Amino acid sequence: KAGVTQTPRYLIKTRGQQVTLSCSPISGHRSVSWYQQTPGQGLQFLFEYFSETQRNKGNFPGRFSGRQFSNSRSEMNVSTLELGDSALYLCASSPGTGGFYNEQFFGPGTRLTVL
Amino acid sequence: KNEVEQSPQNLTAQEGEFITINCSYSVGISALHWLQQHPGGGIVSLFMLSSGKKKHGRLIATINIQEKHSSLHITASHPRDSAVYICAVHNNAGNMLTFGGGTRLMVKP
Repeated sequence: KAGVTQTPRYLIKTRGQQVTLSCSPISGHRSVSWYQQTPGQGLQFLFEYFSETQRNKGNFPGRFSGRQFSNSRSEMNVSTLELGDSALYLCASSPGTGGFYNEQFFGPGTRLTVL
Repeated sequence: KNEVEQSPQNLTAQEGEFITINCSYSVGISALHWLQQHPGGGIVSLFMLSSGKKKHGRLIATINIQEKHSSLHITASHPRDSAVYICAVHNNAGNMLTFGGGTRLMVKP
């Protein structure tokens, strides 16, 4: 089975722009979670989608949003980019009913740099 | 004070040594994850546990719910074990995953 894929792998944007990141889960997985990793804050949970519905959400401003499609692929969007949004964005998929009660399978991440 | 604390932050060991990484948390949890992150960013889930002990190869994870503490042990460490090890807890409601700051392990040959 192919693993979790994320596109693009690297991205450079300027302040004020918006960005969309994509995540394709492992075939059959219906849960997709998104995480932000920065040197200062470490790993932080953004949100989790299951069957096209946002099921859980972390403590991030409304500039961070996401969605999930019927094929379980997910996108996250960050609007009005700030320098502090520079980070590695990771998505993970999980089997079964998903969420944190199942093993998470992580993608390679998208490294976003905001100039 | 962070909800999830790991110690040590950095650890250097010689090949073959027994290694212990600790994770303490302050909130009620339903389960705890141990993750491994190699240089370049890729993360692999090692264990998910809510009680007792789990073993996979040279890795052993234990958790004491009453003491709010978990340990990850690596027996007969090898340079390929060099990575950042991260613990993460999910709360009783199961709707939030909170991460520790990670332990950077280097195993020298």
